[in-house]
Amino acid sequence: GAVVSQHPSWVICKSGTSVKIECRSLDFQATTMFWYRQFPKQSLMLMATSNEGSKATYEQGVEKDKFLINHASLTLSTLTVTSAHPEDSSFYICSVQPPGQGYNEQFFGPGTRLTVL
Amino acid sequence: AQRVTQPEKLLSVFKGAPVELKCNYSYSGSPELFWYVQYSRQRLQLLLRHISRESIKGFTADLNKGETSFHLKKPFAQEEDSAMYYCASSGTGRRALTFGSGTRLQVQP
Repeated sequence: GAVVSQHPSWVICKSGTSVKIECRSLDFQATTMFWYRQFPKQSLMLMATSNEGSKATYEQGVEKDKFLINHASLTLSTLTVTSAHPEDSSFYICSVQPPGQGYNEQFFGPGTRLTVL
Repeated sequence: AQRVTQPEKLLSVFKGAPVELKCNYSYSGSPELFWYVQYSRQRLQLLLRHISRESIKGFTADLNKGETSFHLKKPFAQEEDSAMYYCASSGTGRRALTFGSGTRLQVQP
């Protein structure tokens, strides 16, 4: 299966600061990546679809100015949580779908745990 | 909008007992259905997809369009099956996944 990495695996920051999370597709080029958020004991919720070379598509209720997504290359998408607050503390997970598949199988990164103090 | 429902948060069985994890979906078109599994301290990984009709690690899942269900079954549970199981759907032309709330399976010795 495809290999997806995320960096950092965990981060603690002060309220009001910005945090950048990287998602890399290590063994194929991904024109589309997905960002999910998972609160404790809850399911994964799609935040946005990251599109290489164009603007990300955000889900309803997700602030695009707060969660900045940059997909500048075919192997890297970044999620920046701007002016983080304690309520942004969560597990952020990215996924990619290899091209050429006839079905929608996605491969997930290991996730990044963000704690905002 | 798509919705995936997993009614059980926790399912506890003894080793060797049959297992059925329930999943119901709502979607007006023809969705793709998946089961993902997350073992302790590991990332989410695909277990089954309805389109391939395969059996992985003894698990099977049949898509029942009449009941809009995609229940996951295994005739004899093993301790290593203990994990978090998520049912997910993807609509035609929309590749993001909609996840159910997940069911934690505990297989006791």
